[in-house]
Amino acid sequence: GEDVEQSLFLSVREGDSSVINCTYTDSSSTYLYWYKQEPGAGLQLLTYIFSNMDMKQDQRLTVLLNKKDKHLSLRIADTQTGDSAIYFCAESTIGGYQKVTFGIGTKLQVIP
Amino acid sequence: SQTIHQWPATLVQPVGSPLSLECTVEGTSNPNLYWYRQAAGRGLQLLFYSVGIGQISSEVPQNLSASRPQDRQFILSSKKLLLSDSGFYLCAWSVQGAGSKAFFGQGTRLTVV
Repeated sequence: GEDVEQSLFLSVREGDSSVINCTYTDSSSTYLYWYKQEPGAGLQLLTYIFSNMDMKQDQRLTVLLNKKDKHLSLRIADTQTGDSAIYFCAESTIGGYQKVTFGIGTKLQVIP
Repeated sequence: SQTIHQWPATLVQPVGSPLSLECTVEGTSNPNLYWYRQAAGRGLQLLFYSVGIGQISSEVPQNLSASRPQDRQFILSSKKLLLSDSGFYLCAWSVQGAGSKAFFGQGTRLTVV
């Protein structure tokens, strides 16, 4: 079945860039997503990229996709303390139904 | 605009008691519906998904069940809760068809004591 892997923890200093990495196994993935979960809250869609794209930039967020290696990354420029959260990588596939598979989540700690 | 409602926000239940968590979606028709669980110290796990009324697929064997009595209503249930059922439960929906983002409810924090 589909599998999405990401590291559990990342610590960065305020003002530095953060890079959160993710790998996935399903070569038929169509969309790849980054979700953010702040403490005690539900998941919030941050950004997504279609599988035929290499890069997508949205303000401080840059998503890079290496489809050959099935590797997805999220770069947060000028990381702020408000960026501290758990970041989930996810993928979805084309089929008779739409199913999203999530990674375990990377906890980003921003040190002031 | 579409909205998703999930309740209750927090719940403390004794072991062996029943459970019913409800999720409703507004502003869309025939959505895919999902129940996820995030157990303490673990990632997000897909429990159930549904592509239509009465159509439920289970991803992992467990003590829970799901039902979809109406197009935009998704219910997570248990007849007898276990301690291991404690966790943060999230309902989500997405548009049917190729490539769609999932939108989440605020979640229910369930503590089984």
